[in-house]
Amino acid sequence: GENVEQHPSTLSVQEGDSAVIKCTYSDSASNYFPWYKQELGKGPQLIIDIRSNVGEKKDQRIAVTLNKTAKHFSLHITETQPEDSAVYFCAPDSGGYQKVTFGTGTKLQVIP
Amino acid sequence: DVKVTQSSRYLVKRTGEKVFLECVQDMDHENMFWYRQDPGLGLRLIYFSYDVKMKEKGDIPEGYSVSREKKERFSLILESASTNQTSMYLCASSYSGSSYEQYFGPGTRLTVT
Repeated sequence: GENVEQHPSTLSVQEGDSAVIKCTYSDSASNYFPWYKQELGKGPQLIIDIRSNVGEKKDQRIAVTLNKTAKHFSLHITETQPEDSAVYFCAPDSGGYQKVTFGTGTKLQVIP
Repeated sequence: DVKVTQSSRYLVKRTGEKVFLECVQDMDHENMFWYRQDPGLGLRLIYFSYDVKMKEKGDIPEGYSVSREKKERFSLILESASTNQTSMYLCASSYSGSSYEQYFGPGTRLTVT
């Protein structure tokens, strides 16, 4: 099955700084690369995803970059705000009826 | 908006009890999933279903079973609860072929004493 690793497991940044979380995967058939955000007391929510034919995607302060050759993709958050504090998960997927493997999560703390 | 609801936010059960966790989605999604979430271990897939009456084992199915009699409802069953099943349980759903875009419920915090 898919082997998914996320780094770092915890990350503390000052408000206004940038944060980067990296996800490495093993299945070369992966074509969808989503990131989920889980706020305290809630279920994870998809915040951004990228397809394999695209190298980078931006949505306001968040962006995802993909290096398919090296089998990793990253979540970038710029100008961090306290409300960005959450646990973030990656979940690379090959599509179809395969199960999705989530990364172990990164706890981001934004210090005001 | 997609809504996934879970029957309880908090549940306390005794060792050996049979436990039912219910999940309902309102977006006519074909796929439904059950995960457990433990600190440091992320989300681990217990079972998933891509159609009514269909089920597939995930990574940690031991000690659990599932039922999907209707498209909108996916139940997780702990036949004989044990203390090592104390955890947060999350249900999710997605369209067929779009497992990367899952919608999650708020979770059920189960404590087995």
